Amino acid sequence: DGGITQSPKYLFRKEGQNVTLSCEQNLNHDAMYWYRQDPGQGLRLIYYSQIVNDFQKGDIAEGYSVSREKKESFPLTVTSAQKNPTAFYLCASSIEGQGGSPLHFGNGTRLTVT
Amino acid sequence: LAKTTQPISMDSYEGQEVNITCSHNNIATNDYITWYQQFPSQGPRFIIQGYKTKVTNEVASLFIPADRKSSTLSLPRVSLSDTAVYYCLVGARYNNNDMRFGAGTRLTVKP
Repeated sequence: DGGITQSPKYLFRKEGQNVTLSCEQNLNHDAMYWYRQDPGQGLRLIYYSQIVNDFQKGDIAEGYSVSREKKESFPLTVTSAQKNPTAFYLCASSIEGQGGSPLHFGNGTRLTVT
Repeated sequence: LAKTTQPISMDSYEGQEVNITCSHNNIATNDYITWYQQFPSQGPRFIIQGYKTKVTNEVASLFIPADRKSSTLSLPRVSLSDTAVYYCLVGARYNNNDMRFGAGTRLTVKP
């Protein structure tokens, strides 16, 4: 079955530590995205990547970093510079442009920083 | 980016038809309207997308009037499992990096 895998489902970290969230897709999609969701809120775009070795900042990129070394993988690092890192993080992928596709989401990683 | 406005919450009962309206007064000529559904602790799932008039699939219908300044997602005969948050987004077709999720409409289906 094709899809997006995010791991782990729950992640706990101490304040001041960097943490990396994994996102892998086997849909052969070119574009991948990271969103953050806070309780009762909609999703906010952190970073997106339309092709390998290229990525763009979204609306709330400060305190986060990404890499896109492989088409299948788009890990997100939450750095110690992110002031409020506790949130639900969602990864998505899609085919972009003409003949493209809607977003396909993983089931998220819930990060708690104390 | 076109802004959307949806009701914060709606209640319904099993077996009823539910209509959720989204307002998008500044929709652009090349913008499409897309709806997603999200269950707690899961990622959103695409429901339907349309440009004008009516679109129907196995899950829902999307009604778009001629002026395209609003749209209505129609869920026929809802069940308890349709309890979720529904998001309306507006943007160029599959130009996903320009799509923005608002707070959505929290639909609660009661027995």
